[in-house]
Amino acid sequence: AQSVTQLDSHVSVSEGTPVLLRCNYSSSYSPSLFWYVQHPNKGLQLLLKYTSAATLVKGINGFEAEFKKSETSFHLTKPSAHMSDAAEYFCVVSVGSGTYKYIFGTGTRLKVLA
Amino acid sequence: NAGVTQTPKFQVLKTGQSMTLQCAQDMNHEYMSWYRQDPGMGLRLIHYSVGAGITDQGEVPNGYNVSRSTTEDFPLRLLSAAPSQTSVYFCASRQKVTGNGGEQYFGPGTRLTVT
Repeated sequence: AQSVTQLDSHVSVSEGTPVLLRCNYSSSYSPSLFWYVQHPNKGLQLLLKYTSAATLVKGINGFEAEFKKSETSFHLTKPSAHMSDAAEYFCVVSVGSGTYKYIFGTGTRLKVLA
Repeated sequence: NAGVTQTPKFQVLKTGQSMTLQCAQDMNHEYMSWYRQDPGMGLRLIHYSVGAGITDQGEVPNGYNVSRSTTEDFPLRLLSAAPSQTSVYFCASRQKVTGNGGEQYFGPGTRLTVT
């Protein structure tokens, strides 16, 4: 069965310091992986996606993620946090050619301290 | 493009009432879906559609109905509202693509409270 685990429900960083949000997945097939961001009382916005091309994926707002098959991980990073990065982040795995299964992690709430 | 739109933004229902949450997209996407978001649980799939006239159940379909008569619209009906259906509901759409790579586009959500 496919699953996705976000290892931290809350992460706090100081403004200007690096961000690391961790995501592990389980899949019997070659997955596609996504990171979405949700600002308070807003919908979900795609940050980046991995679809079996380059393993290091660059997204919007300076975020990037690296697909590591051996570790079944897809961690999200940013070199320097900004106050506007405070939000909830979801790791999502999509599996099964032709099927419509997008499995969401439970989310990581990022707090950025001034 | 307006993208994915949802109405209403907020709704309060009494137990036993019925209502329809509206969702529309103007991107000519074949795939549409409904999710509910509850604290600490991420998003869970309620129902989805792979094209007009074709719908199927997701992870948590009980108490909800859907239909898809046009490509653009995908309404979600609550048949008899229960407090357990208090949640934030998101509609999403995506293009039909080969393999897994399709990005989903989300609406702004409907916050539903059932008393």
